Amino acid sequence: AQTVTQSQPEMSVQEAETVTLSCTYDTSENNYYLFWYKQPPSRQMILVIRQEAYKQQNATENRFSVNFQKAAKSFSLKISDSQLGDTAMYFCAFMKRDKIIFGKGTRLHILP
Amino acid sequence: DAGVIQSPRHEVTEMGQEVTLRCKPISGHNSLFWYRQTMMRGLELLIYFNNNVPIDDSGMPEDRFSAKMPNASFSTLKIQPSEPRDSAVYFCASSLPGGGTEAFFGQGTRLTVV
Repeated sequence: AQTVTQSQPEMSVQEAETVTLSCTYDTSENNYYLFWYKQPPSRQMILVIRQEAYKQQNATENRFSVNFQKAAKSFSLKISDSQLGDTAMYFCAFMKRDKIIFGKGTRLHILP
Repeated sequence: DAGVIQSPRHEVTEMGQEVTLRCKPISGHNSLFWYRQTMMRGLELLIYFNNNVPIDDSGMPEDRFSAKMPNASFSTLKIQPSEPRDSAVYFCASSLPGGGTEAFFGQGTRLTVV
């Protein structure tokens, strides 16, 4: 069975700094998808970024980028020039054959 | 589209009562997921459906939990009887067919069992 591990329960960084959230997963599959979701205090789940496992190129969405290391089964999220609005829970997710499982999340605080 | 719609937003019930949570997925989405979020366990996948058929219910905690999807536009998650440890936020999500597309989430139902 697949598992997703986020080893940092909570992090704090100063505004404008860069922060990296880690995620590892365990699977025997070769083709799958990985996601990062953001959950602000409003509770809404918002997709941040998506990565297809068959693509070697790391996905990027504006200030958000990933470091996808398939052999190491690692999928970290980098937030550049962090903003106060980035304060939220961040969840890493693994998807295979329509099934999506999540890690326990990392609570990120951006400090003014 | 209005997105995934869940009701109620909040539910407070007494231990032993039956609780029913409702979900309307986004039209055209054929996968539907029920998740439970707690501080201790994060986001747990309880069950998911494909084309209204339950595919994997291995995450359902026990027989007190049941889920149905009678048609493509409606699903329920029922807890009977409810217990205080069931208190959590329950999310419903849906996604398009074909795999690889993200799940779109509802606003969640915060359940409190007293």
